[in-house]
Amino acid sequence: NAGVTQTPKFRVLKTGQSMTLLCAQDMNHEYMYWYRQDPGMGLRLIHYSVGEGTTAKGEVPDGYNVSRLKKQNFLLGLESAAPSQTSVYFCASRYVLASSEQYFGPGTRLTVT
Amino acid sequence: GENVEQHPSTLSVQEGDSAVIKCTYSDSASNYFPWYKQELGKRPQLIIDIRSNVGEKKDQRIAVTLNKTAKHFSLHITETQPEDSAVYFCAVPFNQAGTALIFGKGTTLSVSS
Repeated sequence: NAGVTQTPKFRVLKTGQSMTLLCAQDMNHEYMYWYRQDPGMGLRLIHYSVGEGTTAKGEVPDGYNVSRLKKQNFLLGLESAAPSQTSVYFCASRYVLASSEQYFGPGTRLTVT
Repeated sequence: GENVEQHPSTLSVQEGDSAVIKCTYSDSASNYFPWYKQELGKRPQLIIDIRSNVGEKKDQRIAVTLNKTAKHFSLHITETQPEDSAVYFCAVPFNQAGTALIFGKGTTLSVSS
C-alpha cells in the first residue's frame, strides 16, 4: 500500500496564478483532510470531507476550494494564489471511527512569490 | 468552536530526563485526545491517544494523562533519548461529531546527549 500520497511535492507560483493539489489514498478511508503548516502555527485545518461528494469548511477555509469526486482522491484548489498561502500543505485520511488514527501524506511545499 | 492551547512551545532536556507537554481545550464535550510526533522533514504520526473515559494511558516511555474537570491533557516522556527530538502536537475534535481534528501549535523538544 502506498498509503497517502500527494502531488506535487514542490511548487512555486506567482501571485494570482491558480493550481490544484492532489491527494490520493489507497486505504479505503471515508474521511479526508487538508491542513496547512506554518512555523509557529501548528497544523491548521483548511477543509475536510466525510465521504465522496461531500466537503466541509475547517478553521481556515478562505482562499481555498476542495472537491471529492472519488472516494480515494481529495483535491485542494487555489484560484488566485497570494503570498500568504505560502506554506506546507498536508493531506490526511482516516476511517469513520472518531478515535481512528489520521494518516498524513508527505506534504507539498508551496511558495507564492 | 473548539480551541486548543499547547505549552511550552520549546523544551530542551538532557538525555535521560523527563519531558512534559500540556494542552488545554475549551469544549467540555470533547472526548478524544491524540498526540502526534513530527520529525524534521517528515509527516506527523500518531504516538498515543486517550479517550475521555480513562484518566491515563501508558505505552512504554510515553504516557498521556487527562483531567476532564480542568479541561487539560498532558504528554509525558520518561528517560528521554536523542531520537525523541521532534515537534509534538496535541489535537482535539473540531466538532461534536468528531469528524475532524484541530491541532495545537506544537512543542519543539530537543534532547541533548
